[in-house]
Amino acid sequence: KAGVTQTPRYLIKTRGQQVTLSCSPISGHRSVSWYQQTPGQGLQFLFEYFSETQRNKGNFPGRFSGRQFSNSRSEMNVSTLELGDSALYLCASSLVAELYNEQFFGPGTRLTVL
Amino acid sequence: TQLLEQSPQFLSIQEGENLTVYCNSSSVFSSLQWYRQEPGEGPVLLVTVVTGGEVKKLKRLTFQFGDARKDSSLHITAAQPGDTGLYLCAGAAYNDMRFGAGTRLTVKP
Repeated sequence: KAGVTQTPRYLIKTRGQQVTLSCSPISGHRSVSWYQQTPGQGLQFLFEYFSETQRNKGNFPGRFSGRQFSNSRSEMNVSTLELGDSALYLCASSLVAELYNEQFFGPGTRLTVL
Repeated sequence: TQLLEQSPQFLSIQEGENLTVYCNSSSVFSSLQWYRQEPGEGPVLLVTVVTGGEVKKLKRLTFQFGDARKDSSLHITAAQPGDTGLYLCAGAAYNDMRFGAGTRLTVKP
């Protein structure tokens, strides 16, 4: 069974631009969560989608948004990029929407904002 | 501010030594998970503990959930270079999951 895939793996943008990251969960998994990982703040929860609905949201500004499609694939969008948005963005999928369920992480997208 | 405090932040030991890393919080969690993350990869789930006082063993790794479900520890026996990585704990409560900052372990051959 294929694991969680994320594209692109690396991305370089400049301040003010916007970016869209993609995540394909493990086949059959309906819950997708997004996290931001930085050396200073560690791993922080962005949001979680289940059956195309956002069920949980972390404490991030509205510039961070996401969506989930009917095939469970998910995208995350960051608008008006800031230098502080440079981070590793991780996607995790699980069978159901309970957060204590086993989450499988993708390799991440490393975003650099110049 | 991290809701989950992990200690130590960094640990460098020789192959064959034993070690314990800790994950502490003032909050109660319905479950706690431990992950290991290697450079360039996403975290990989090692174990989930849900019952206060629970102890789980995974080969040379022993995980314990505190009686009050506020803290946890990970003990590694006879560490090997392959155990090198960032160990993260994550607590789930009220549909919110919080991660600790991690313990970066280096095991030297």
